[in-house]
Amino acid sequence: EVHLVESGGVVVQPGRSLRLSCAASGFTFDDYTMHWVRQAPGKGLEWVSVISWDGGTTYYSDSVKGRFTISRDNSKNSLYLQMNSLRTEDTALYYCVKGLDSNLEDWGQGTLVTVSS
Amino acid sequence: DIQMTQSPSSLSASVGDRVTITCRASQGISNFLNWYQHRPGKAPKLLIYAASSLHSGVPSRFSGSGSGTDFTLTISSLQPEDLATYYCQQSYSSLLTFGGGTKVEIK
Repeated sequence: EVHLVESGGVVVQPGRSLRLSCAASGFTFDDYTMHWVRQAPGKGLEWVSVISWDGGTTYYSDSVKGRFTISRDNSKNSLYLQMNSLRTEDTALYYCVKGLDSNLEDWGQGTLVTVSS
Repeated sequence: DIQMTQSPSSLSASVGDRVTITCRASQGISNFLNWYQHRPGKAPKLLIYAASSLHSGVPSRFSGSGSGTDFTLTISSLQPEDLATYYCQQSYSSLLTFGGGTKVEIK
């Protein structure tokens, strides 16, 4: 069974940095692309970023490009999201998602990031 | 970026009703369209991929159709457990985008 567990969500001040982690199990991690998707309070789903199986290709939404960096460590079955220059509008529940092609096949339960002074 | 527009934004229907949700893309996306169910307090789940293919384990009352710019998700007989928000998502572009969501309530 696929298991994705996000961690690292906290309350942080605007302008600060934060790194989210996702521990994956139950599948061959380095066979799959991985995504981050977020949901702001009371809002819909917003795709954030994707990384290829080998980490060689990454894409970002316009709203986070230049501030966030996605990475992975296949030896640790782990996905990361480095979030810099955080803004209040980055406040959201962040989901780690296993991709199949560009289908978002399996989702974690999410970790909550709150950006507030 | 490709914009996805869903309608309606919410609906209320009775158990057993047929429910239809539409999704329109700002440009042609062939059949690169997926549907997700997001129940309150739960992680989203993939329902339909490639516009009309049912994901493993999804009940057959869910179906999808469409190609190009216009797509439909249909629930043939609404069940109480279908209370959720439904999202379409395009996978034509490497920059994925979701529709705004349709909240389905049970009368």
